[in-house]
Amino acid sequence: GEDVEQSLFLSVREGDSSVINCTYTDSSSTYLYWYKQEPGAGLQLLTYIFSNMDMKQDQRLTVLLNKKDKHLSLRIADTQTGDSAIYFCAENSNQGGKLIFGQGTELSVKP
Amino acid sequence: ETGVTQSPTHLIKTRGQQVTLRCSSQSGHNTVSWYQQALGQGPQFIFQYYREEENGRGNFPPRFSGLQFPNYSSELNVNALELDDSALYLCASSLDHSETQYFGPGTRLLVL
Repeated sequence: GEDVEQSLFLSVREGDSSVINCTYTDSSSTYLYWYKQEPGAGLQLLTYIFSNMDMKQDQRLTVLLNKKDKHLSLRIADTQTGDSAIYFCAENSNQGGKLIFGQGTELSVKP
Repeated sequence: ETGVTQSPTHLIKTRGQQVTLRCSSQSGHNTVSWYQQALGQGPQFIFQYYREEENGRGNFPPRFSGLQFPNYSSELNVNALELDDSALYLCASSLDHSETQYFGPGTRLLVL
């Protein structure tokens, strides 16, 4: 079946790196996404990776994809207090273009 | 370039009533997808509209219905509201039905 799983909480110190992990089940997904949600707001697209790539870097963000283990991670370098938010991993589905989301990881950045 | 917009931002209804939520897609996008996000959960796919036709539906009952207009804006209608319909309703638009989805700010619906 379709399922995306994430750990619920992560706490880091300002300036440290954060790593948020995700596992997914649909091996036919062509894209995998990371979205950020601040309190009371919609979802902001952070980055995405095509399924035939292993890694993608975008400024402070690094996405790693292990297709064999169906494992996706998002690394945020030099984490700032403004990075505090909920981060969602999502895979696309071949069924009508829907995205399947994980439950979200709440990142707390302490000064 | 204007992003995805949704109206209203907040809404309070009572059980049994009907509600219509609206979404304007980003310029140049022909696809709109709707999601329901309950408190503390990830968004759940309701349905997608591509060029005015429904292009996929999630596990939601028929009282959730939608529409897409020739300018690609969209409506989500929910009939016979239930308490569990209280959630943040998110709309996302994309260039095409399989392309990256960009989300609006959401409409927060409270059913009493």
